Amino acid sequence: KQEVTQIPAALSVPEGENLVLNCSFTDSAIYNLQWFRQDPGKGLTSLLLIQSSQREQTSGRLNASLDKSSGRSTLYIAASQPGDSATYLCAVRPWGNNRLAFGKGNQVVVIP
Amino acid sequence: SAVISQKPSRDICQRGTSLTIQCQVDSQVTMMFWYRQQPGQSLTLIATANQGSEATYESGFVIDKFPISRPNLTFSTLTVSNMSPEDSSIYLCSVPLASTDTQYFGPGTRLTVL
Repeated sequence: KQEVTQIPAALSVPEGENLVLNCSFTDSAIYNLQWFRQDPGKGLTSLLLIQSSQREQTSGRLNASLDKSSGRSTLYIAASQPGDSATYLCAVRPWGNNRLAFGKGNQVVVIP
Repeated sequence: SAVISQKPSRDICQRGTSLTIQCQVDSQVTMMFWYRQQPGQSLTLIATANQGSEATYESGFVIDKFPISRPNLTFSTLTVSNMSPEDSSIYLCSVPLASTDTQYFGPGTRLTVL
């Protein structure tokens, strides 16, 4: 069974600092990995998707890397802003189905 | 992308009652998923809603407790039956888009059971 772990569980950073969020998974036979953002009490917003054949994806200030062999992904958020305060969830999709395995999230607070 | 709406957005219910949550997608999709997110926890898949056939439930979830309907390719409902305080969660529906491999989520239904 796929286990997804996200470290740190929570962090606070001053505005302007870069954020580094880590996700690890136990089974490297994945189809893709997706990073989501969740605001308190709300649904999930898709941020980046990395296919198993890719090493990274970028969108604006966001960059996600994938090292499938070691079972790791990292989400970088450059020059953090208070609006980046949210929980970031990592989800892994296996080959053959669409059932995602989620981590518990990285809860981020950016201090103005 | 896919635009997904859910109703209700939140509700407060009494123990022993049932609540039906609706999920509407702006395009036809083969599969729809229902997830639960208990307070402070991550998402857990409840079931896959298949059009024209019975839903497929994950381990620990049963049809009597979480009956699901899927009358067409854009709509599904999840009922939380005979509720207890342990059912207090955010319930989310999601759909995968084959064209992009991305999974999209609805805004969620926040359920509190007293």
